[in-house]
Amino acid sequence: GAGVSQSPRYKVAKRGQDVALRCDPISGHVSLFWYQQALGQGPEFLTYFQNEAQLDKSGLPSDRFFAERPEGSVSTLKIQRTQQEDSAVYLCASSLWAGTGVEQFFGPGTRLTVL
Amino acid sequence: SQQGEEDPQALSIQEGENATMNCSYKTSINNLQWYRQNSGRGLVHLILIRSNEREKHSGRLRVTLDTSKKSSSLLITASRAADTASYFCATDQAGTALIFGKGTTLSVSS
Repeated sequence: GAGVSQSPRYKVAKRGQDVALRCDPISGHVSLFWYQQALGQGPEFLTYFQNEAQLDKSGLPSDRFFAERPEGSVSTLKIQRTQQEDSAVYLCASSLWAGTGVEQFFGPGTRLTVL
Repeated sequence: SQQGEEDPQALSIQEGENATMNCSYKTSINNLQWYRQNSGRGLVHLILIRSNEREKHSGRLRVTLDTSKKSSSLLITASRAADTASYFCATDQAGTALIFGKGTTLSVSS
């Protein structure tokens, strides 16, 4: 079956532009996560949805970052007025259930480069 | 912030050799997971070990967990070129987000 997909795979933005990154989770997965991975680092948590509810957004680095999942499936991560420090790979993951010890399935990521 | 610290940062071995990676973490955990990341397939879940388990096996993988030392190790036996990737440990404290370490980059040459 289809895994988690993300689009675009690569995005180049000029500083100050707004960008929108899309995540299509595995069908039926309740939980959806966004992570940011800087070069040479491990992924860092940004935000978490359970169905359409955003239950945790403690990892969002600033109010320029906004995520939504309006119908409990597809999610969009939006970054307004991009800065060079936003350059990273943005990973989306989904899991079947909510709760501890549940395997997360990751998408291939969107590599964002801000010039 | 990152919870885990993998050691070593980089590891180079020959095909057929074993590879051991270690992970230390800071706070109490419910479970610990290991993930692999390569450019072709993104992040892939390898194995999960719960806080009440001490050792777990899956194919050529062996994971140990020592909660008293807040550490875990991943052993890959009889390594193959296809095992070349970055390996991350991740802890799950509150049942939602995973907290990853910085990873170990493994290079297996034939």
